[in-house]
Amino acid sequence: DAGVTQSPTHLIKTRGQHVTLRCSPISGHKSVSWYQQVLGQGPQFIFQYYEKEERGRGNFPDRFSARQFPNYSSELNVNALLLGDSALYLCASRLNAATNEKLFFGSGTQLSVL
Amino acid sequence: AQSVTQLGSHVSVSEGALVLLRCNYSSSVPPYLFWYVQYPNQGLQLLLKYTSAATLVKGINGFEAEFKKSETSFHLTKPSAHMSDAAEYFCAVAVGGSYIPTFGRGTSLIVHP
Repeated sequence: DAGVTQSPTHLIKTRGQHVTLRCSPISGHKSVSWYQQVLGQGPQFIFQYYEKEERGRGNFPDRFSARQFPNYSSELNVNALLLGDSALYLCASRLNAATNEKLFFGSGTQLSVL
Repeated sequence: AQSVTQLGSHVSVSEGALVLLRCNYSSSVPPYLFWYVQYPNQGLQLLLKYTSAATLVKGINGFEAEFKKSETSFHLTKPSAHMSDAAEYFCAVAVGGSYIPTFGRGTSLIVHP
């Protein structure tokens, strides 16, 4: 079975631009979470979606938004990019949202903002 | 609020030596605790999870961790390090109603031949 897949793997943008990152969860997983991992730090929670509804939001500005589609795939959008948005963006999935079962992570999208 | 503190951003051991990675948590309610590992250019993988069933938790690849409430700790150990253990290790905490883990800053494990 395929794991969590993310696209693209690498992305270079300039300040002020917009970016869309994509994630396909493991088949059957209905919950998708997004994390930002800045170099040298642990993953920071951005969003959790379950059944197309937002179930949690971390301490990120409104420039960050996300959505989940009927097939449970998800997009993370970031507007008006700043240099500080440069990071590895990780997507994780699990069967349900209201559980402490393990998260399955993708390999991430490395975003560089110049 | 929930948080974890990982002591030491880097830990260096020789192959065959004991591995000890430290994690202390802060939580006002009984926590769920996790250790994840991240190999270069990969996402995180779960090593083990504490859910209050047993204080000593055994995980994959020979790792284990012991939950000590009195010390608010959940340190990760492995009796004998292997070169393939070199990676970034993250401790994480979640409390029941949240279901969203909070990760520590990570500890880089370096294994010398």
